Amino acid sequence: DAGVTQSPTHLIKTRGQHVTLRCSPISGHKSVSWYQQVLGQGPQFIFQYYEKEERGRGNFPDRFSARQFPNYSSELNVNALLLGDSALYLCASSLWQGAGGETQYFGPGTRLLVL
Amino acid sequence: DQQVKQNSPSLSVQEGRISILNCDYTNSMFDYFLWYKKYPAEGPTFLISISSIKDKNEDGRFTVFLNKSAKHLSLHIVPSQPGDSAVYFCAASPLANQAGTALIFGKGTTLSVSS
Repeated sequence: DAGVTQSPTHLIKTRGQHVTLRCSPISGHKSVSWYQQVLGQGPQFIFQYYEKEERGRGNFPDRFSARQFPNYSSELNVNALLLGDSALYLCASSLWQGAGGETQYFGPGTRLLVL
Repeated sequence: DQQVKQNSPSLSVQEGRISILNCDYTNSMFDYFLWYKKYPAEGPTFLISISSIKDKNEDGRFTVFLNKSAKHLSLHIVPSQPGDSAVYFCAASPLANQAGTALIFGKGTTLSVSS
């Protein structure tokens, strides 16, 4: 079975530009989460979506937005890029059973470099 | 403030010996704990999890121990193999509810297993 897929794998942008990152969850998974990982740190939570609704938001500015589509895939959008947005962006999917522990499975990530 | 702490940035172990990776947390709302392994240029791979109602969970060479009163968990790898060399992340979340299940990660521990 295919795991979580993300596109593109790498991206180079300049300050002030806009970027869209895409994610397809594991088949049957209805929840998608986005994380940002900078060098030397663990992944930091940005958003979680379930059934097209935002279920959680981390401590990121309004320049970051996301959405989930009826097929459960998701997009992460970042406006007005800053140098500090350079990072590995990870997408994770989970079943969302509504109770108990929820294991999230990660994609390979998109490496974003802002110049 | 860091809610999940991995105080050892690195650990070196000989092949065949036990690797013990430690993790502390501060938020008593965390009820589900996970360990992920990450190779360079890849996304985190789920290894093993434990919920707060248990104190031990085992899967092959990997065992996670949870001491809820001390807010401490550890991952034991026995026997360690050179292919285990990677960055290991501890993560925690509350149990699933309508507010989502954001994972909070530690900074990671780099494990090196020498043959």
